[in-house]
Amino acid sequence: EDQVTQSPEALRLQEGESSSLNCSYTVSGLRGLFWYRQDPGKGPEFLFTLYSAGEEKEKERLKATLTKKESFLHITAPKPEDSATYLCAVSFITSGTYKYIFGTGTRLKVLA
Amino acid sequence: KAGVTQTPRYLIKTRGQQVTLSCSPISGHRSVSWYQQTPGQGLQFLFEYFSETQRNKGNFPGRFSGRQFSNSRSEMNVSTLELGDSALYLCASSAGTGVLYGYTFGSGTRLTVV
Repeated sequence: EDQVTQSPEALRLQEGESSSLNCSYTVSGLRGLFWYRQDPGKGPEFLFTLYSAGEEKEKERLKATLTKKESFLHITAPKPEDSATYLCAVSFITSGTYKYIFGTGTRLKVLA
Repeated sequence: KAGVTQTPRYLIKTRGQQVTLSCSPISGHRSVSWYQQTPGQGLQFLFEYFSETQRNKGNFPGRFSGRQFSNSRSEMNVSTLELGDSALYLCASSAGTGVLYGYTFGSGTRLTVV
């Protein structure tokens, strides 16, 4: 079954304490893996797209990496404003049709 | 540049009623997708429209329908509301290749069915 799993469900970090969020997927025909950030009461905000194993993208304190089975979102020296839910999504082709499915997210809380 | 606009932001309806939600995509974007977000299920894909044609559809009952107008604005309709339809409904727009380059989401419509 095509599936995207994120772990952990929730994460509490002290300000400055680096960590990683995981997104594993079981789809064939991957076309892209996407990371989004969602703040309470708002829609997801696009962060990165990764297309092939070994690819990396960076934005401020965030760095996303991709392997053949999973992606990591590394957060270096986080600040309280990094608190949000981080969602990953994958796009793939099945039966000649594009599909786009989301994981259930990791709720990150960064404490000052 | 204006973002994706969804109206209304909040809505309370009674079981059995119907509801229409509206989405105005980013200017120039011709693709509009709709998602349902609940705490238990996360983001679930409803359907996608491109140039007034439904291009893709998720696994939701026929009570959920949508359409897109010639100016790319989209509406989503839910008939015979059930308590389980309470959710945040999100609209996302792209220039047509969101599955490859990502989507821009609106802030959503919070629907509560009582």
